[in-house]
Amino acid sequence: EDQVTQSPEALRLQEGESSSLNCSYTVSGLRGLFWYRQDPGKGPEFLFTLYSAGEEKEKERLKATLTKKESFLHITAPKPEDSATYLCAALTGNQFYFGTGTSLTVIP
Amino acid sequence: DGGITQSPKYLFRKEGQNVTLSCEQNLNHDAMYWYRQDPGQGLRLIYYSQIVNDFQKGDIAEGYSVSREKKESFPLTVTSAQKNPTAFYLCASSILGGYNSPLHFGNGTRLTVT
Repeated sequence: EDQVTQSPEALRLQEGESSSLNCSYTVSGLRGLFWYRQDPGKGPEFLFTLYSAGEEKEKERLKATLTKKESFLHITAPKPEDSATYLCAALTGNQFYFGTGTSLTVIP
Repeated sequence: DGGITQSPKYLFRKEGQNVTLSCEQNLNHDAMYWYRQDPGQGLRLIYYSQIVNDFQKGDIAEGYSVSREKKESFPLTVTSAQKNPTAFYLCASSILGGYNSPLHFGNGTRLTVT
């Protein structure tokens, strides 16, 4: 069964304390792995697409990596404005499978 | 600015009433989608459409209906047959034929049925 699992469910960090979010996937024929940021009461905002194992993408304090079984979203020296829920989704065929997200809180 | 507009932001209805959620996009995307988001669950696909006048059921289509009369518009009707309609509804679009292009989302409609 195709599925995506994210961990941890929630993460509290001090400002400047780097960490990683995990997205494990079991899908047949991965066409792309997507990361989104979602603020409360809003729709998900696209961050990155990764297509193949070994690929990395960076944007400001965020860096996404991909292996054959999982993806990581590394957050370096986070700031309070990075607080949000981060979603990952795996695309197989024409179907997106979403994880339940990691709720990140960065404390000043 | 191009984007996806969902309206209204909040919607309240009595049980037994049908309600229609609006979704309009000016990104010139071919494909449009409706997802439902509930606490502790991943986004679940309700319906999607890849071309005007054609649409397919997603994983949880029961109790919902859609239409796609224009490329820009993909309204969702939540019928009285939907047993648990209170949720956050998200509309999305993507380029069809683009290389594994991402979904672009609107800002959602929160529906409360009492």
